[in-house]
Amino acid sequence: DIVMTQSPLSLPVTPGEPASISCRCSQSLLHRNGYNYLAWYLQRPGQSPQLLIYLGSNRASGVPDRFSGSGSGTDFTLKISRVEAEDVGFYYCMQGLQSPITFGQGTRLEIK
Amino acid sequence: EVQLVESGGGLVQPGGSLRLSCAASGFTFSSNWMSWVRQAPGKGLEWVANINQDGSEKYYVDSVKGRFTISRDNAKNSLYLHMNSLRPEDTAVYHCAKTSSAAFDIWGQGTMVTVSS
Repeated sequence: DIVMTQSPLSLPVTPGEPASISCRCSQSLLHRNGYNYLAWYLQRPGQSPQLLIYLGSNRASGVPDRFSGSGSGTDFTLKISRVEAEDVGFYYCMQGLQSPITFGQGTRLEIK
Repeated sequence: EVQLVESGGGLVQPGGSLRLSCAASGFTFSSNWMSWVRQAPGKGLEWVANINQDGSEKYYVDSVKGRFTISRDNAKNSLYLHMNSLRPEDTAVYHCAKTSSAAFDIWGQGTMVTVSS
């Protein structure tokens, strides 16, 4: 199974400041088609997860452009250019390359 | 509106069975892989199973193999999860999710399954 390791697990951020979450994978997520099968999700308190980023760096529909994804192979990063109050919640990375599909442990973003 | 609505959760005794349903609307259900993802209380996300467009391919996480069965009815735009031999560790909110570009782009609100005597 592909193991997904996120860091940090807790991320206190001042509104307006940037934030960054790392996701490292035990195997490369680069498909032979050239895409990295890595996605990022935000789960706000009391809500279902919502897709932020797919295929490593593509923003999902309706996601603000302050969110960006980067990386390739085994190392990926989610960046928020300027954190807002509505960004509070748990962030998860996920690999969709092979079964079983696996998630990172989650990173809790909170406002200072 | 694109929507997934789960139902069928509840309280069941260890060793019991339950069938979850997920009703899809607002998109061409038969064109997408579908998955079940669960979240135990206070824990992270765990993928449970997925199924391809015509139901000919199914995959499961090891912990549910032989106990859970995923299925779909494209004529009814519905996804199912048949759960047998339930254990306390299966207690979780179960979400159905639509797959697009190797990611889950649409999630349902979830249905709670509690396994307890």
